[in-house]
Amino acid sequence: GAGVSQSPSNKVTEKGKDVELRCDPISGHTALYWYRQSLGQGLEFLIYFQGNSAPDKSGLPSDRFSAERTGGSVSTLTIQRTQQEDSAVYLCASSPQSGNGAFFGQGTRLTVV
Amino acid sequence: AQSVSQHNHHVILSEAASLELGCNYSYGGTVNLFWYVQYPGQHLQLLLKYFSGDPLVKGIKGFEAEFIKSKFSFNLRKPSVQWSDTAEYFCAVTPSGGYQKVTFGTGTKLQVIP
Repeated sequence: GAGVSQSPSNKVTEKGKDVELRCDPISGHTALYWYRQSLGQGLEFLIYFQGNSAPDKSGLPSDRFSAERTGGSVSTLTIQRTQQEDSAVYLCASSPQSGNGAFFGQGTRLTVV
Repeated sequence: AQSVSQHNHHVILSEAASLELGCNYSYGGTVNLFWYVQYPGQHLQLLLKYFSGDPLVKGIKGFEAEFIKSKFSFNLRKPSVQWSDTAEYFCAVTPSGGYQKVTFGTGTKLQVIP
């Protein structure tokens, strides 16, 4: 597709369950980011993938959060044993190697009940 | 590592008022700078960007931003705002060249009152 695609667009889960969020970046983009946007909060950086380099995981809030990027393309963000404070919009973005800014997907709205 | 500060968290203006949103970054080398906008219910989109050259950059919808290297600033301006400019605005920075992470500020919510 032409843009960054995220699925699902909405996810409601029970506290304690695991969830997986998917991101399909723009084809050819070497960098991929995950951010979290909570109600009334700004953009919270979670993790950054760049090519085959080790990911920058410095923004992951706890060890319940993990992310993978397979084949340098699709990425999955996994949240284990979800808590109510995990409720937020999870945004994925990709960018080309030139550092030409980032292109965002529509996000996944996660609600933990 | 680079960082970005947006000092105005929430700005309320009347239509036709002038806008200036502050953005300061911290990094020791050359940078690329961006402003993003998120309209209600929509995804983040690029408003304008600076890579090099003329420090006054013009973007979409009448927005502009000026890079002042000595002040490490990249403030966003618009001479006359409209109700449709109500949105959240994010400043971002990345070191120039190659494989570098884009770092975002915490955002400024702009509310324009008709």
